[in-house]
Amino acid sequence: AQSVAQPEDQVNVAEGNPLTVKCTYSVSGNPYLFWYVQYPNRGLQFLLKYITGDNLVKGSYGFEAEFNKSQTSFHLKKPSALVSDSALYFCAVRPPPGSSGTYKYIFGTGTRLKVLA
Amino acid sequence: NAGVTQTPKFQVLKTGQSMTLQCAQDMNHEYMSWYRQDPGMGLRLIHYSVGAGITDQGEVPNGYNVSRSTTEDFPLRLLSAAPSQTSVYFCASSLQGSNQPQHFGDGTRLSIL
Repeated sequence: AQSVAQPEDQVNVAEGNPLTVKCTYSVSGNPYLFWYVQYPNRGLQFLLKYITGDNLVKGSYGFEAEFNKSQTSFHLKKPSALVSDSALYFCAVRPPPGSSGTYKYIFGTGTRLKVLA
Repeated sequence: NAGVTQTPKFQVLKTGQSMTLQCAQDMNHEYMSWYRQDPGMGLRLIHYSVGAGITDQGEVPNGYNVSRSTTEDFPLRLLSAAPSQTSVYFCASSLQGSNQPQHFGDGTRLSIL
């Protein structure tokens, strides 16, 4: 079965330190990969995506993500965390065009990031 | 642009009641979808639509119906509410290409007593 795993329920990091939020996936072919952020009582907001090309993609608010095909991972990173980055982060995968589930996003369970002042 | 608008924001129902959650978008997006968010389970796809008149089931469709008569609107109907349907429901839309990110509404918090 196709799946997305976010192994950490919560990540704590001190303000100014680098942060990493992990995501691995099990989807056949070359899926499209996304990161979203959710603030309290709000819908999800798009951060960045990997479709093809350079393995390091840059997104909103200084976030970036590294795609690793051999490890089927797509970890979210930021060089210097801010208190305002504290939120719930979701990794999502969309099976590639032409596959049976290409219109069906698969979301991870989410990782709560807490940045400590 | 209002983006994706969901109504109501909150609702309490009794078991067995029916109701419709509304979703509207003003971005002329072909693709629309409904998710439910439950603690520890992330977002799970209920139903989706790739255009007016076309809908399909997602991961957890039982107990829910959808229709898509216009590009803008994608209502979700609970036929006979059950406590297991207590959740936060999100509607999302995007352009048709599968590399396009989704735009989410702010959700409907639904409690079934």
